[in-house]
Amino acid sequence: QVQLVESAGGVVQPGGSLRLSCTASGFTLLAYPMHWVRQAPGKGLEWVAGTSFAGGDTYYADSMKGRFTISKDSSTNALHLQMNSLGRDDTAVYYCARESRRGRISFLDSWGQGALVTVSS
Amino acid sequence: DVQLTQSPSFLSASVGDRVTITCRASQVIGDFLAWYQQKPNKAPNLLIYGASTLQNGVPSRFSGSGSGTEFTLTISSLQAEDFATYYCQHLYPYPSTFGQGTKVDIK
Repeated sequence: QVQLVESAGGVVQPGGSLRLSCTASGFTLLAYPMHWVRQAPGKGLEWVAGTSFAGGDTYYADSMKGRFTISKDSSTNALHLQMNSLGRDDTAVYYCARESRRGRISFLDSWGQGALVTVSS
Repeated sequence: DVQLTQSPSFLSASVGDRVTITCRASQVIGDFLAWYQQKPNKAPNLLIYGASTLQNGVPSRFSGSGSGTEFTLTISSLQAEDFATYYCQHLYPYPSTFGQGTKVDIK
């Protein structure tokens, strides 16, 4: 059974850092591109970052470039998001998601339960 | 970057109604569009990919259509469990973007 379980988020001060983890079961993380998507309180979904099959290629939304780093750990079958220089606008529920493909069509077919990150002093 | 604009942002409907949500892309994206349903405090759930292909396990009352810049999600007969927020998304090319969402509420 495919499952994505995220680590608990947390409260961090403005300017601080936090690392989120997402542990996969039922499939091998290196066999799929993976993504992070976030949702600020009462707002819509926002794509954060994505990584290729083996994790060698990474992509970020403009507002996250230089601050966030997405990575995979094959030894633990986990996806990570290192977040630095956090601001209040980064307060959100963060979801990890698996990308699957049918031919040339890609989509996010499995999601974690979400981790709440609150940036507050 | 591709911008996705959904309409309406909010709609009230009754059980049994036919509901249509539109997603317009700022540039041609072929059929590289997916639809998700999200209920409060839950992760999104994939409904449609490739603009019109129903994900396994999704009820057949859901359907998607469109290509290029205009796409539609239709619920043929709204059920109680369908009251939720719906999002369209294109994944590639990067950066990926979502529409702003359409909340379907009970009339």
